[in-house]
Amino acid sequence: AQTVTQSQPEMSVQEAETVTLSCTYDTSESDYYLFWYKQPPSRQMILVIRQEAYKQQNATENRFSVNFQKAAKSFSLKISDSQLGDAAMYFCAYRSLRSTGNQFYFGTGTSLTVIP
Amino acid sequence: NAGVTQTPKFRVLKTGQSMTLLCAQDMNHEYMYWYRQDPGMGLRLIHYSVGEGTTAKGEVPDGYNVSRLKKQNFLLGLESAAPSQTSVYFCASRRQISSYEQYFGPGTRLTVT
Repeated sequence: AQTVTQSQPEMSVQEAETVTLSCTYDTSESDYYLFWYKQPPSRQMILVIRQEAYKQQNATENRFSVNFQKAAKSFSLKISDSQLGDAAMYFCAYRSLRSTGNQFYFGTGTSLTVIP
Repeated sequence: NAGVTQTPKFRVLKTGQSMTLLCAQDMNHEYMYWYRQDPGMGLRLIHYSVGEGTTAKGEVPDGYNVSRLKKQNFLLGLESAAPSQTSVYFCASRRQISSYEQYFGPGTRLTVT
């Protein structure tokens, strides 16, 4: 089974600054998808950004961007101009394209605090 | 369009009691999933279904059963609850051919005393 590792249990950032959350994964597959989900205190899981492994270009969504390094199996999330509403738990997820049901594998999460 | 809904939102059980969590989606999604979320563990897959009438085990299936009698509903059952099953349970669904993400329900917080 694939494993997803988030080595930073907690991170903090000053409001308006930039922060990068790390994620690495282990897989023998060549094609897959990667995601970052945000979970605010409301518990609702919200998709932040996704990346297809076959695409070399890094995905961006407004203030959120990723640094996808396929050979290194690294998928970090950069949040620019951090806002108070960005405070949440962030989960990195890997989606297999081979397993029945195309299962998702989640990391253990990084808790992001935004300091006013 | 309600998306993915879960019933109930909170529940407290005593050890040995049984209960069923209901997940419903109105997006005509083929795939549905049940996860549990524990502190420091992320989300772990309990069971999933790739279509009406089908179910399969995920990473942590022991102590749980599921059924998918209707395409829009995915039920998670605990026959004899144990304190180790205290967790937050999430249901998710997605289209079979979609490259996009899963759509999550709001979660159910279950406490087993």
